[in-house]
Amino acid sequence: QKEVEQNSGPLSVPEGAIASLNCTYSDRGSQSFFWYRQYSGKSPELIMFIYSNGDKEDGRFTAQLNKASQYVSLLIRDSQPSDSATYLCAVNMVSGTYKYIFGTGTRLKVLA
Amino acid sequence: KAGVTQTPRYLIKTRGQQVTLSCSPISGHRSVSWYQQTPGQGLQFLFEYFSETQRNKGNFPGRFSGRQFSNSRSEMNVSTLELGDSALYLCASSLGVNYAGELFFGEGSRLTVL
Repeated sequence: QKEVEQNSGPLSVPEGAIASLNCTYSDRGSQSFFWYRQYSGKSPELIMFIYSNGDKEDGRFTAQLNKASQYVSLLIRDSQPSDSATYLCAVNMVSGTYKYIFGTGTRLKVLA
Repeated sequence: KAGVTQTPRYLIKTRGQQVTLSCSPISGHRSVSWYQQTPGQGLQFLFEYFSETQRNKGNFPGRFSGRQFSNSRSEMNVSTLELGDSALYLCASSLGVNYAGELFFGEGSRLTVL
């Protein structure tokens, strides 16, 4: 079992729809969870981070964390073609270490 | 504020050679992490340095090494290159004081091994 798992996609959604990206992780001791966006040929950039169970909203983005189910998700509302990218889930696996484990990413395509 | 700078951006080497990649973090950032990115494996953690000390290391062979200087700049070295080392090598910097802090990535160094 991989430490951080994501569906590779591509996930195709029409413009204006909600895109739902999911990530599961194996280490119950994980403390911090991050979503990065990576455009083709570019480096990853942080979209959101979440530490506590529940939802965290920032503009069109909502991160959801469920530690009991070891599940973190990212919702993108009113998806735009410019949101088309690969979304990487990153987990700080063990408290007190500085080792982020990344999923392989989900490729999102927003169709105009 | 300047971002994370990686050099060189592109390089081509042949099997058996060695390569050194450089990373200059954001001013004030003391932590530098290195990742290898390939299409099949995604981002794989190599190692992380904070104040010239390696704090964490990933599951890569000893051919991969790194170091950090007193000005927080970091280098990574790969010796005896293999074809499978072809990848995008990303450096990320962070304040490093808070383990949960955000990583800021450089544009990467794309290595091709022939």
